[in-house]
Amino acid sequence: ILNVEQSPQSLHVQEGDSTNFTCSFPSSNFYALHWYRWETAKSPEALFVMTLNGDEKKKGRISATLNTKEGYSYLYIKGSQPEDSATYLCASLNNNDMRFGAGTRLTVKP
Amino acid sequence: KAGVTQTPRYLIKTRGQQVTLSCSPISGHRSVSWYQQTPGQGLQFLFEYFSETQRNKGNFPGRFSGRQFSNSRSEMNVSTLELGDSALYLCASSSRLAGGITGELFFGEGSRLTVL
Repeated sequence: ILNVEQSPQSLHVQEGDSTNFTCSFPSSNFYALHWYRWETAKSPEALFVMTLNGDEKKKGRISATLNTKEGYSYLYIKGSQPEDSATYLCASLNNNDMRFGAGTRLTVKP
Repeated sequence: KAGVTQTPRYLIKTRGQQVTLSCSPISGHRSVSWYQQTPGQGLQFLFEYFSETQRNKGNFPGRFSGRQFSNSRSEMNVSTLELGDSALYLCASSSRLAGGITGELFFGEGSRLTVL
């Protein structure tokens, strides 16, 4: 059984704050780590797919890092905006078997 | 390029009935996976199909089944519905990265099933 854990479960920040969340995943038979953003009443949308240890990816104010040896990934949001409010999901692909974490629910207050 | 289309969007069934949900992937995507989301739970993996073959299956009872057609469209079926099957069922399609690794998932809007 693969366990993908995300922390914190929820987070409330003020507009302009920078924030980060953690995803821990099994490091054995690791293929890839995915991050998704899921806004209420919409479908999850992909942010990043990372495969290599030490990978760093960036999209606008959002960036992510990957450590496959210790099995964790960080997602960073710089200067949070109210439109960043969403649930952020990570998913680990091990042995071609994809498992999602329960997500971090971010609320950005204006 | 059309996105992933799921039908129906909403449906209500009673216990003991069966239901079939449909998913049309993005053109060119041969991999389709299905997920269940219930309140308080993350996305639970049901199964993945690639080129009409089931590649992986999650930890769900045999009442949950699926298939994929030659045009990559997929259906999932739930027989003998139970109250606990009430959930949002999401379908996602993807292409393959180098080495056959599943690429980013493109999700449909989901089918919300209510079992009374």
